[in-house]
Amino acid sequence: AQSVTQLGSHVSVSEGALVLLRCNYSSSVPPYLFWYVQYPNQGLQLLLKYTSAATLVKGINGFEAEFKKSETSFHLTKPSAHMSDAAEYFCAVGGNRDDKIIFGKGTRLHILP
Amino acid sequence: GAVVSQHPSRVICKSGTSVKIECRSLDFQATTMFWYRQFPKQSLMLMATSNEGSKATYEQGVEKDKFLINHASLTLSTLTVTSAHPEDSSFYICSAMPGGMNEQYFGPGTRLTVT
Repeated sequence: AQSVTQLGSHVSVSEGALVLLRCNYSSSVPPYLFWYVQYPNQGLQLLLKYTSAATLVKGINGFEAEFKKSETSFHLTKPSAHMSDAAEYFCAVGGNRDDKIIFGKGTRLHILP
Repeated sequence: GAVVSQHPSRVICKSGTSVKIECRSLDFQATTMFWYRQFPKQSLMLMATSNEGSKATYEQGVEKDKFLINHASLTLSTLTVTSAHPEDSSFYICSAMPGGMNEQYFGPGTRLTVT
């Protein structure tokens, strides 16, 4: 079975500050890990994904995430927050043969001026 | 590339009627499509996996006779909410997976309101 835990349903950071969104996973098979962003009333956009290649994954909009097997973590970071980063972020895990992706509960990122 | 569309984007219907939502992969063929439901300020809940040319696989607790899924071609899957009730009001999102790739591309979602 697979699962994802996102720590913190809401995170607030000041514009220009470091963004850190936490995600821990559980998987009985080598996982594929994803971060998606969702803006209000829209679908999901893939930020980045880990598929067993490099452990540090760079995505769009300046985001990156590091896969740490020993910590079962896949935290999302961005060095400097922009106002446009305000959105809902979902961590997800996949990798089973059924191709299903299991989503975390999401973290709403607020950017303070 | 890898664009998924949904139609309609927003629909309001009366209780007891049926509503069809379309999910199309515009520039790739998708042997597998997924249907999700998202309640306000919550995560996505997988409802069913739709495979072209075969019956959909429903998640536990999802009524297959209420949420009819048809995946008649490699670019189109439809979700029909039958005899809709107000509690079916939600944001429905589909995703499509190109053959041979472990990545889902998401549609923009459909907001269903049942009055």
